[in-house]
This record gives sequence, C-alpha cells and structure tokens, in this order.
Amino acid sequence: EVQLLESGGGLVQPGGSLRLSCAASGFTSSSYVMSWVRQAPGKGLEWVSTISGSGDRTYYADSVKGRFTISRDNSKNTQYLQMNSLRAEDTAVYYCAKRWPGYYSPFDHWGQGTLVTVSS
Amino acid sequence: EIVMTQSPATLSVSPGERATLSCRASQSVSSNLAWYQQKPGQAPRLLIYGASTRVTGIPARFSGSGSGTEFTLTISSLQSEDFAVYYCQQYNNWPPLTFGGGTKVEIK
Repeated sequence: EVQLLESGGGLVQPGGSLRLSCAASGFTSSSYVMSWVRQAPGKGLEWVSTISGSGDRTYYADSVKGRFTISRDNSKNTQYLQMNSLRAEDTAVYYCAKRWPGYYSPFDHWGQGTLVTVSS
Repeated sequence: EIVMTQSPATLSVSPGERATLSCRASQSVSSNLAWYQQKPGQAPRLLIYGASTRVTGIPARFSGSGSGTEFTLTISSLQSEDFAVYYCQQYNNWPPLTFGGGTKVEIK
C-alpha cells in the first residue's frame, strides 16, 4: 500500500525557515515524480514544486521560486521542501503528492498534509 | 499559465439526484485532465484521469467527459459520502500545474 507521511510543519515567524519531509513507503520512490501541493485555510489547491525521480530536474511555482528548494534522498525514500524567507501568505497545509513517471501524469496519491503557519 | 475555471462554485443537490460539474481550461489541455474529491480535513483523492478514466475502486456513478477546453464530471446518483469539494487539474502544459477553484457539492 502506498503511503506518504509528511512532517516538519509548525509555527514560524515571517522571514523564518522550515524544512518539510515526506517519507514514502509501498513503492520505489526513485521511479516516480514527487511534488508538493499546498492549501491555504479555506482555499483551493496550489501546486508548489515538483522533482523528477532521479532528482536532477526541479520545478517551482513563481510564488515560491528563489525561496523554496525541493530535494529527495532516494536511499531513504524521502523528499524534502526547504522553505526560506517565509511569508504570511505561505500559511497552508502542505501535501506531499506522488505522480506517475512521465510528463503527463496526475497526482495519484497524497499524504495527509502538514500545517505551516507563518505568523509573529 | 493555463487557468482552470470551475462552475458552479457551489452545487446543492438532493441525495439520489444527478450532479454535473464543469471545468474549463483557458487553452487546450487535450485529455490531460484529472478530477479530485476532497472531504473536510482530508487530503484530495484522485477520481478520474485522462479526462474520463476512473481510478480503480472509484464507483461507476462517477464519470468524466470532455477534451480540449471543456470538461464535465458527472455523479449519476449522489450518495451521502459524495458530498465534498471537487477540483479539476490540468497536467498537459506545465509548469505550472494548475487546479480549478473547486466546486462544493452540498446537500439540498
């Protein structure tokens, strides 16, 4: 059974940093594209970032480019999201999501999410 | 960036009735469109991909149609567990991957 378990969320002050982790099980994560999607309180879904199976290609939403860094450690079946220079508008539940290999693929499995709150 | 627009924002339906949800793309996304269901406090769940292919285990009352810029999710006979928010998402041309704003299906 595919499982994705996020951790690392919490309360952080504006300008601060946080690192989210997503531990995968039930599949060989190096074969799959992994992503982060966020949802602000009471709002819709927003794609944040994607990383290829090998980790050599990364993609970011304009709203986080230059501040967030996605990475993965396939030996640990874990992906990460390093978030720097956090702003109030980054407050959201952050979901880890798996995609099939290839360019044209939906998010077929999601973690339960971890809440990030940016506030003084 | 491809903008996805869902309508209506809220749909009030009685149990047993049919629900029809719409999703429009600002430019063609071919059939590279997915539908997700999200219940309060839960993560989204993939229902439909390729505009019309149901994920294994999703009841047959859920069906998707369309291609290009116009898409529809139909729930043929609403059950109590179907009241939720539904999102469409395109994966044809990215980055960015983009979602619609969602349609909340509520009990009438």
